Amino acid sequence: KQEVTQIPAALSVPEGENLVLNCSFTDSAIYNLQWFRQDPGKGLTSLLLIQSSQREQTSGRLNASLDKSSGRSTLYIAASQPGDSATYLCAVTNTGNQFYFGTGTSLTVIP
Amino acid sequence: NAGVTQTPKFQVLKTGQSMTLQCAQDMNHNSMYWYRQDPGMGLRLIYYSASEGTTDKGEVPNGYNVSRLNKREFSLRLESAAPSQTSVYFCASSALNRDKPLAGYYEQYFGPGTRLTVT
Repeated sequence: KQEVTQIPAALSVPEGENLVLNCSFTDSAIYNLQWFRQDPGKGLTSLLLIQSSQREQTSGRLNASLDKSSGRSTLYIAASQPGDSATYLCAVTNTGNQFYFGTGTSLTVIP
Repeated sequence: NAGVTQTPKFQVLKTGQSMTLQCAQDMNHNSMYWYRQDPGMGLRLIYYSASEGTTDKGEVPNGYNVSRLNKREFSLRLESAAPSQTSVYFCASSALNRDKPLAGYYEQYFGPGTRLTVT
């Protein structure tokens, strides 16, 4: 069974810092990996999706990388802002039908 | 385009009561999912439906039933609610998307969630 781990569980940084969130998975035969953002009391919003054949994806200040062979992905957030405060989750799928989620990293950006 | 909608947003049940959570999507997606989210456990898949007319168990199906009513709607039923089913429930949908620049990937879209408390 696929296991997904996110470290750290919580992170607090001052505004303007660059930061990296980590996601690791045990079965490297994934179809794709997706990063989500979740605000308190809300649903999940998709940020970036990386196909298994890709190495990275970028959207604005966000950059996600994937090293499938080592079972790792990172989400890089440049020039963090207080509005980035949220929980970030990663999810992988091996088949396109079942998605496995990490427990998330709770990010606080201090003004 | 509403995306994925869920009703109700909040619900309080007493142990033994039953209820149905409703989910609908307007994106013409084939696959739909029900997850529960608990502190420290992350999201866990309860049931999914790869296409209209099919349903499959996920990681934590016990105590739940589902119905894929049509391509748009996927409901989750608790026949006899238990306090262990207190959770936030999310519905999601996905499809093999060949129209995006990167052809051929599954991207999940989530509803806003239902917060269920069983006393």
